[in-house]
Amino acid sequence: TQLLEQSPQFLSIQEGENLTVYCNSSSVFSSLQWYRQEPGEGPVLLVTVVTGGEVKKLKRLTFQFGDARKDSSLHITAAQPGDTGLYLCAGIAFYNQGGKLIFGQGTELSVKP
Amino acid sequence: DAMVIQNPRYQVTQFGKPVTLSCSQTLNHNVMYWYQQKSSQAPKLLFHYYDKDFNNEADTPDNFQSRRPNTSFCFLDIRSPGLGDAAMYLCATSRGLATDTQYFGPGTRLTVL
Repeated sequence: TQLLEQSPQFLSIQEGENLTVYCNSSSVFSSLQWYRQEPGEGPVLLVTVVTGGEVKKLKRLTFQFGDARKDSSLHITAAQPGDTGLYLCAGIAFYNQGGKLIFGQGTELSVKP
Repeated sequence: DAMVIQNPRYQVTQFGKPVTLSCSQTLNHNVMYWYQQKSSQAPKLLFHYYDKDFNNEADTPDNFQSRRPNTSFCFLDIRSPGLGDAAMYLCATSRGLATDTQYFGPGTRLTVL
């Protein structure tokens, strides 16, 4: 069974600080997705990374897929209170497991004004 | 316009009283998923339908059932809810399996008294 380890699990920072969330596995994934979920809402897809070494930017968010396609990171620059939420990484199994998304445990981010 | 709709957004039921949660989609996607998510945790896949083909996860309790009467609608039935079934229930859809993006609904928060 493929697993994704996400860290840290909880993160509380001040507005303006930078942060990085990590998503690691011993298995290879064909692609990896990052979601953001606000309280009481469903996850919303932020980005999909497909190619090893790929870097994608979404305003102040930078996503990187590891060269070996086993890990990914999300870096937020100058965090704002509106970034508060649960960040989830999810991998698509390299060998099809019936189309399942493999989720990490999530990172609960709180950005204080 | 909302693409994956879940009703109700909040549901309160009594211990042991059957409850049905509803999901509808306007995307005409082939696959519909049901996830259970407990507080600050990753979503846990319960089952999915590919068209009319039902796929149950091995660790999904028998207490949870699902129906998909047509392409647009999918229901989650909890036959005898226990206190441990209190959670957010998320519906998601995708065009196909494997690498296709999943689109999540806003979820139904279930409370069991």
